[in-house]
Amino acid sequence: GIQVEQSPPDLILQEGANSTLRCNFSDSVNNLQWFHQNPWGQLINLFYIPSGTKQNGRLSATTVATERYSLLYISSSQTTDSGVYFCAVSPPGGYNKLIFGAGTRLAVHP
Amino acid sequence: NAGVTQTPKFQVLKTGQSMTLQCAQDMNHEYMSWYRQDPGMGLRLIHYSVGAGITDQGEVPNGYNVSRSTTEDFPLRLLSAAPSQTSVYFCASREQGAQETQYFGPGTRLLVL
Repeated sequence: GIQVEQSPPDLILQEGANSTLRCNFSDSVNNLQWFHQNPWGQLINLFYIPSGTKQNGRLSATTVATERYSLLYISSSQTTDSGVYFCAVSPPGGYNKLIFGAGTRLAVHP
Repeated sequence: NAGVTQTPKFQVLKTGQSMTLQCAQDMNHEYMSWYRQDPGMGLRLIHYSVGAGITDQGEVPNGYNVSRSTTEDFPLRLLSAAPSQTSVYFCASREQGAQETQYFGPGTRLLVL
């Protein structure tokens, strides 16, 4: 089945720094989403981005479907950005099934 | 609007016991799903449903049963709990369409001894 790899596995930042998280996937996808899990376990949908670029405040995401990767950019990081960021994809014809990567654990220190 | 609710928050079972994890949503979403999350891993899909009376298997369905008799509720049943089922379980819902925002419940932490 499709494989999803995220890097780096861990990231430590000072408040105000920028960062880039990467998601590589092994096959064509028709659905790619980014999620944030806060330190209390709550999961929030950040982006639906099977291709192209989207921005939401300090967060933006870009997916290059032909090269099978997606990037999540966090600018001017804040302590509330801490948590785990997951990339998840669905294979063609399987958009009801999300395959998650192992995540990038981000810690933002004041 | 409560969103997606899960009960219980925490449960301890002995090997071989059965239990049902409850999930309910009040957003009239057609699509609901169950995931498990193990330490250091992403979520893995157990079962999902695209509407009342319709369920299908995800990545890791063995040992779990589901049913969907109403739009609102999607319970997950463990028929004979095993230590390998120790995990955090998340329920999620969204409207039909992969581009729709997926809403997650707060999770149920299950420990099987």
